[in-house]
Amino acid sequence: DTEVTQTPKHLVMGMTNKKSLKCEQHMGHRAMYWYKQKAKKPPELMFVYSYEKLSINESVPSRFSPECPNSSLLNLHLHALQPEDSALYLCASSQDIGVARGYTFGSGTRLTVV
Amino acid sequence: QQQVKQSPQSLIVQKGGISIINCAYENTAFDYFPWYQQFPGKGPALLIAIRPDVSEKKEGRFTISFNKSAKQFSLHIMDSQPGDSATYFCAASAQTGANNLFFGTGTRLTVIP
Repeated sequence: DTEVTQTPKHLVMGMTNKKSLKCEQHMGHRAMYWYKQKAKKPPELMFVYSYEKLSINESVPSRFSPECPNSSLLNLHLHALQPEDSALYLCASSQDIGVARGYTFGSGTRLTVV
Repeated sequence: QQQVKQSPQSLIVQKGGISIINCAYENTAFDYFPWYQQFPGKGPALLIAIRPDVSEKKEGRFTISFNKSAKQFSLHIMDSQPGDSATYFCAASAQTGANNLFFGTGTRLTVIP
């Protein structure tokens, strides 16, 4: 299995809603990442998990809350988002931090905040 | 500060032509240079990658040329096809540090029949 699976593929949420994005990989990768991508822009790193521990938080607002329940799963909990948070949210994984070979992205969740 | 600079921003090529996308970097600690292809609504997918001890790498119609002294690398797509129409991102990585993948700004390629 060489895939990173993200669910849901699309999500529309109101500014007062709470929702979660889910990411799963079964490649034995120990680093997992959340990225945000706006249209016509490169992915922007949000969070890095290494061995299920948060390694990097790129100054992301607290309305985004990551969670790594186990080595295969990564969640992103969303609460009180703003319309400007609408974007494609990408999950990725790699063997370990500092190892870019085998870096694999999921297909993303297209989030629309209304 | 943009760690990897990419050009052009957009590119239109006739079917069968050669598409060339260029990237430049400053950090000499970078030791891995992947190219990603992204279709609308999908995540980036690794296309081809090179290490700095090699000046060229070819996989099918895709070739990376690497100039270590100039700190530049480029993607050549030979015999470009309409199915190649996508956004291409170059990236660079160093083995030190957790934020290990720095992206270029992307090139939107359109191949016209």
